[in-house]
Amino acid sequence: AQKVTQAQTEISVVEKEDVTLDCVYETRDTTYYLFWYKQPPSGELVFLIRRNSFDEQNEISGRYSWNFQKSTSSFNFTITASQVVDSAVYFCALSLRSYNTDKLIFGTGTRLQVFP
Amino acid sequence: NAGVTQTPKFQVLKTGQSMTLQCAQDMNHEYMSWYRQDPGMGLRLIHYSVGAGITDQGEVPNGYNVSRSTTEDFPLRLLSAAPSQTSVYFCASSYGGGANNEQFFGPGTRLTVL
Repeated sequence: AQKVTQAQTEISVVEKEDVTLDCVYETRDTTYYLFWYKQPPSGELVFLIRRNSFDEQNEISGRYSWNFQKSTSSFNFTITASQVVDSAVYFCALSLRSYNTDKLIFGTGTRLQVFP
Repeated sequence: NAGVTQTPKFQVLKTGQSMTLQCAQDMNHEYMSWYRQDPGMGLRLIHYSVGAGITDQGEVPNGYNVSRSTTEDFPLRLLSAAPSQTSVYFCASSYGGGANNEQFFGPGTRLTVL
């Protein structure tokens, strides 16, 4: 079965704290892509990152970093020195693409609240 | 570029009514898809299309129809609305490899079925 699990429904932190959002995926495919999207209170969905299954290098973009570990089927997202503007729902997603399917499967999301 | 546009932004229907949610993109993207977002359920794929004339079902296709006569447009039809279809609907598009690429999302349509 292909599935994305975001076990943390809601996380609350105080500004400047570091926070990690967990994402665990299931797939039998050897080639797949993982994504993170952000949905701020305004409701739009914003792309953050894409990672393919053959690239396990961690990535850092400013205060954001991602840790991809195939051994544990995880693709975790860390925000360093969180800010109020980071308050949003964050979705992890897994793409399934083969000769007869081309789908993007989302997790249920983690709501992050950053308090001043 | 307008990106991905959706109309209407809000809609209230009565049970049994039909309607079409419109989605258009001006980026010449081959891949388009429809999701619904419900509290605690994340985004669930309804239908998707890998190009004009080609559509396929996602996770929750029942009660919805789609067609793709042009690259730009991908309307979602509710034939007989039910309260269970109350949700926020997002249309998305991407280029090239479809689900493997960054999805560009529309602003969403909030639908209430009474």
